[in-house]
Amino acid sequence: GDSVTQMEGPVTLSEEAFLTINCTYTATGYPSLFWYVQYPGEGLQLLLKATKADDKGSNKGFEATYRKETTSFHLEKGSVQVSDSAVYFCALTRKERDMRFGAGTRLTVKP
Amino acid sequence: DTAVSQTPKYLVTQMGNDKSIKCEQNLGHDTMYWYKQDSKKFLKIMFSYNNKELIINETVPNRFSPKSPDKAHLNLHINSLELGDSAVYFCASSPQGQIQETQYFGPGTRLLVL
Repeated sequence: GDSVTQMEGPVTLSEEAFLTINCTYTATGYPSLFWYVQYPGEGLQLLLKATKADDKGSNKGFEATYRKETTSFHLEKGSVQVSDSAVYFCALTRKERDMRFGAGTRLTVKP
Repeated sequence: DTAVSQTPKYLVTQMGNDKSIKCEQNLGHDTMYWYKQDSKKFLKIMFSYNNKELIINETVPNRFSPKSPDKAHLNLHINSLELGDSAVYFCASSPQGQIQETQYFGPGTRLLVL
């Protein structure tokens, strides 16, 4: 079945460090791919998405490129801030009304 | 204006009780969802619903039932609560449930069963 695999956390970085959170997926066809972020005590918010191969999603300095050849959608940011501390979820939808999430990666950024 | 709201925010109850969680969205969306997030943050879909069809994840016990009085509301009713039901429950909505659509999440309801 469809699934998403994220790198295990937690990830701890110093402010202004480079961030990569790996995400790979298993799905037939052409899924849409998403990154959601969950700040402490809150619900999930969309960070970025890509709906077809080679698309790049970007928002708030974060980027991810839909790579069909490697079935990946890695999240990157060039310089993280303390306010980026949160749990990040990679997700996919291959069929209607059926979003599948990865296990989440907790990021802590220290000043 | 809160796009997707849930009540209550916290719910503490005894095993065996029946409880409901309410969800409302003011986005005009046709499709709503319920998710369960366990203590390890793993998020799993429970139901998706629009005015035509209810889709139930096969792992959801039949003690859980969604109830939709109208398009803007999808409430979650739980019978005979068990310890393992303790989790955070998130409601979400999307325009039509199509694969490229963003889902918009509520703030969550933290359920603790004692």
